[in-house]
Amino acid sequence: ETGVTQTPRHLVMGMTNKKSLKCEQHLGHNAMYWYKQSAKKPLELMFVYNFKEQTENNSVPSRFSPECPNSSHLFLHLHTLQPEDSALYLCASSQEQGIKTGELFFGEGSRLTVL
Amino acid sequence: KNQVEQSPQSLIILEGKNCTLQCNYTVSPFSNLRWYKQDTGRGPVSLTIMTFSENTKSNGRYTATLDADTKQSSLHITASQLSDSASYICVVSSHNAGNMLTFGGGTRLMVKP
Repeated sequence: ETGVTQTPRHLVMGMTNKKSLKCEQHLGHNAMYWYKQSAKKPLELMFVYNFKEQTENNSVPSRFSPECPNSSHLFLHLHTLQPEDSALYLCASSQEQGIKTGELFFGEGSRLTVL
Repeated sequence: KNQVEQSPQSLIILEGKNCTLQCNYTVSPFSNLRWYKQDTGRGPVSLTIMTFSENTKSNGRYTATLDADTKQSSLHITASQLSDSASYICVVSSHNAGNMLTFGGGTRLMVKP
């Protein structure tokens, strides 16, 4: 148990569906991240929120839409995805982004399959 | 361009044997280097952090080394156990705006009985 909870753990969706991934952290951290992990590739940073403000959008297609209502919750809204978007989506948190980034605490991930 | 290269990509060893995983980086300016362990179907978990002034650090059967001159790090696993089967990811942090992290592709280790 890392203190970062992701739901759902598995998701299968069609290309025209709308779904959301949820992440919640109980560590009192101020930075939250979405990463994409595809087979045999390094983790790819998608979005960063620091003190609820989006500080990075790593050229992610608009079919992925993040939302951070507070420092403890992070969502990734999914719409009209493509089969190549199938991957493990990892949420992480850290003390802050920047000089105090420190250790990343990851959730268990949401395995997404797009049909 | 900041890069982190890990080798080998995959490794199979017998239970009880030792192994060493390698991480080479071109990240600059260097802040620190972490090794993460990722069990199948789980998120990565930090094993150890190496700062510029540290050469060696141990965490149980895991020993990490850092050579800041050659920009290389290694993770040595002693007396491997079946539970060591996982992916090991090297992550290098840079002292630039946002404290950027660069991830390696990982080494997938399988320990067989």
